Amino acid sequence: GDSVTQMEGPVTLSEEAFLTINCTYTATGYPSLFWYVQYPGEGLQLLLKATKADDKGSNKGFEATYRKETTSFHLEKGSVQVSDSAVYFCALKVGAQKLVFGQGTRLTINP
Amino acid sequence: GAVVSQHPSWVICKSGTSVKIECRSLDFQATTMFWYRQFPKQSLMLMATSNEGSKATYEQGVEKDKFLINHASLTLSTLTVTSAHPEDSSFYICSASSGTGINEQFFGPGTRLTVL
Repeated sequence: GDSVTQMEGPVTLSEEAFLTINCTYTATGYPSLFWYVQYPGEGLQLLLKATKADDKGSNKGFEATYRKETTSFHLEKGSVQVSDSAVYFCALKVGAQKLVFGQGTRLTINP
Repeated sequence: GAVVSQHPSWVICKSGTSVKIECRSLDFQATTMFWYRQFPKQSLMLMATSNEGSKATYEQGVEKDKFLINHASLTLSTLTVTSAHPEDSSFYICSASSGTGINEQFFGPGTRLTVL
């Protein structure tokens, strides 16, 4: 079946470090890909998305490129801030609306 | 932005009792609402999809008689865990979609259920 695999956390970085959170997927057809972020005490928020191969989603300094050849959608940010501390979920969309999530990666940024 | 609320944020109940969780879209009409379950350090698992005014569609393996879902209005859906047992303890998250545009789902903050 369709699935998403994320790098296992937790991930701890210092402020201004470079961030990569790996995400790979298995899907039939051509899914849309998403990154969601969950800040403490809040609901998941859409961070960025890509709907077809080679698309790059970007938001708040985060980027991810839909790589069909490697079935990946890695999340990157050049310089993280303390306020980026959260749980990040990679997801794909199958069919009309069903989202399939990865297990989430907890990110902690230290000052 | 679109806001989805859940109530209560956490609940503790005794085994054998029923618990109702509410999910509300505060500033938009949600034609479709989704209920997820999340175990510690695990992914969100879709339990069911509900469209306003019709019966919910449950995912395989989810007991519809145990997890009753009602989507009676365009701003409210409820999940009732009937005859709860300790294994039902989990984090329950709802999301809502207006069904327009890109059909983006907006998520509630979740409800933590502990069954003693």
